[in-house]
Amino acid sequence: AQSVTQLDSHVSVSEGTPVLLRCNYSSSYSPSLFWYVQHPNKGLQLLLKYTSAATLVKGINGFEAEFKKSETSFHLTKPSAHMSDAAEYFCVVTLYSGGGADGLTFGKGTHLIIQP
Amino acid sequence: NAGVTQTPKFQVLKTGQSMTLQCAQDMNHEYMSWYRQDPGMGLRLIHYSVGAGITDQGEVPNGYNVSRSTTEDFPLRLLSAAPSQTSVYFCASSRNNIPGQGASSPLHFGNGTRLTVT
Repeated sequence: AQSVTQLDSHVSVSEGTPVLLRCNYSSSYSPSLFWYVQHPNKGLQLLLKYTSAATLVKGINGFEAEFKKSETSFHLTKPSAHMSDAAEYFCVVTLYSGGGADGLTFGKGTHLIIQP
Repeated sequence: NAGVTQTPKFQVLKTGQSMTLQCAQDMNHEYMSWYRQDPGMGLRLIHYSVGAGITDQGEVPNGYNVSRSTTEDFPLRLLSAAPSQTSVYFCASSRNNIPGQGASSPLHFGNGTRLTVT
């Protein structure tokens, strides 16, 4: 079965240290991949997207993600965490088959905690 | 540029009552969808639409109806509210998403409707 797995439900880092949020997917084809961020009491906002162009994708607020087909991964990184990065992060994959009814599959989310 | 607008922001219903959650987008997006978000369960798709006059069921459609008479609007109707429908509901739209084709434009989300059913 095709799926998206966010490997950590919670990640805690100190302000100023690097952030790594992990996402793996299962697919026979190269999908479209997205990372979204959700701040408390808000809707989801697009951070970045991969659609088969450059494998290293830069997004808003200093985040970037690297598509690694051999590892079926799309991990989200940021060199230096800021307090305002504290939020829930979702990896979303568009698959050619399987996944959600509309072809989109959401990960369960990773809660990012920033320690002062 | 309003984007995706959801109303109301908050709603409290009694069991058995009905109501409509409104969603409107001003980006001329063909694709619209409704999700519910519950703790520990991520976002679950309720219904979606790939264009005016076309709707389809998602993963958790029971107890909800939708219609898409215009490109802009995609209301979600709760027919007879139950406590299990207590949740935060998000509407989203994108320029296109054709299920099974493996490609999608990014989703634009509303700010959500927090519904409590007592």
